[in-house]
Amino acid sequence: GNSVTQMEGPVTLSEEAFLTINCTYTATGYPSLFWYVQYPGEGLQLLLKATKADDKGSNKGFEATYRKETTSFHLEKGSVQVSDSAVYFCALKGTYKYIFGTGTRLKVLA
Amino acid sequence: DAEITQSPRHKITETGRQVTLACHQTWNHNNMFWYRQDLGHGLRLIHYSYGVQDTNKGEVSDGYSVSRSNTEDLPLTLESAASSQTSVYFCASSEQHGGGLVRYEQFFGPGTRLTVL
Repeated sequence: GNSVTQMEGPVTLSEEAFLTINCTYTATGYPSLFWYVQYPGEGLQLLLKATKADDKGSNKGFEATYRKETTSFHLEKGSVQVSDSAVYFCALKGTYKYIFGTGTRLKVLA
Repeated sequence: DAEITQSPRHKITETGRQVTLACHQTWNHNNMFWYRQDLGHGLRLIHYSYGVQDTNKGEVSDGYSVSRSNTEDLPLTLESAASSQTSVYFCASSEQHGGGLVRYEQFFGPGTRLTVL
């Protein structure tokens, strides 16, 4: 069945550091891929998405590229800010359902 | 602006009581979902609905039920609350395109923190 695996956290970085959060998936067919972000006490918000191989989703300085050959959708940001501290979820949408990873907590220190 | 709301935001109840969590969306989305979020498990799907009068079980549906009488609402009922149901519950909705979900992301409510004592 479909599944998503993302790196365990927490990830602690200094402000302006480079961020990578790994996400790999298992799926039949060609799922759409998403990154969601959850700030403390809030629901999940869509951060970016990609719907086909080699697509790059980007938003707020974050990027992720749909890599079919490695079944990956790693999240990157060149220079993180304290305000990026949150939990990040990788997700895929199969034919009918969404599958979420377990989340990676990011803490950015000033 | 369209939104998805949940109520109550916090609830404390006792084992064995019936509890209903409300979810209301003004996106006019056909699809609605209930998840629970627990440490180490991420989001797990409880129930989902593709439209009025349609409901389906997710991966952790035991002890929960839903009903869909209109487009806007999908209440989640815990028939007899158990301590294992202490969790944060999220409702989500998404647009349906054609005969199935194609590419549309889910929009999430703010969550309900439920404690069962």
